Amino acid sequence: AQKITQTQPGMFVQEKEAVTLDCTYDTSDQSYGLFWYKQPSSGEMIFLIYQGSYDEQNATEGRYSLNFQKARKSANLVISASQLGDSAMYFCAMRETPSQGGSEKLVFGKGTKLTVNP
Amino acid sequence: NAGVTQTPKFRVLKTGQSMTLLCAQDMNHEYMYWYRQDPGMGLRLIHYSVGEGTTAKGEVPDGYNVSRLKKQNFLLGLESAAPSQTSVYFCASSKFYGARWRLAFGSGTRLTVV
Repeated sequence: AQKITQTQPGMFVQEKEAVTLDCTYDTSDQSYGLFWYKQPSSGEMIFLIYQGSYDEQNATEGRYSLNFQKARKSANLVISASQLGDSAMYFCAMRETPSQGGSEKLVFGKGTKLTVNP
Repeated sequence: NAGVTQTPKFRVLKTGQSMTLLCAQDMNHEYMYWYRQDPGMGLRLIHYSVGEGTTAKGEVPDGYNVSRLKKQNFLLGLESAAPSQTSVYFCASSKFYGARWRLAFGSGTRLTVV
């Protein structure tokens, strides 16, 4: 079963507008972490934002914010005031720390390609 | 600090050849991971390690072996390369810092098997 689901293969947004990239996850663990990475055409993975399962407030990092809805198991990324340089692949990922034993793992979604239009 | 360093950055192999990808990190991270990235598939976990001397299988371990003899190094081996292993390989390492969790990626290795 897929642990991280990103239902939007591609998204388009106008420069200076806000955009939301969807991410839902599946876990039975109580302790886990969610984060988003950006991968521009150059290929490197760039950390954007992290949300722990016990964090009471939604994480924010500059123009990035994470809309964390624990009951819905969703962790959507909101990018405000889009810039042309935001055009890239965006990956949602989850860190699981099993309480019933087993090792911590890190799993990724298939990604969303964001295109910012001028 | 160099962060996470992968070598080589590019490699072309013939079917049946073997090779080892090296990942080195200088951040004293406990956890290390090897992923492969294929178009439309995102990043899939091959193997990972939660500490020196330990390794575990991820989602797609077949055809690969790993070793973590030293905390700072995580090696990914292909014993007999196949065209299906043509991919971009990423190494990553991670550690908890209090309430924050840090994950760092290498710059990737583009492997082509012909």
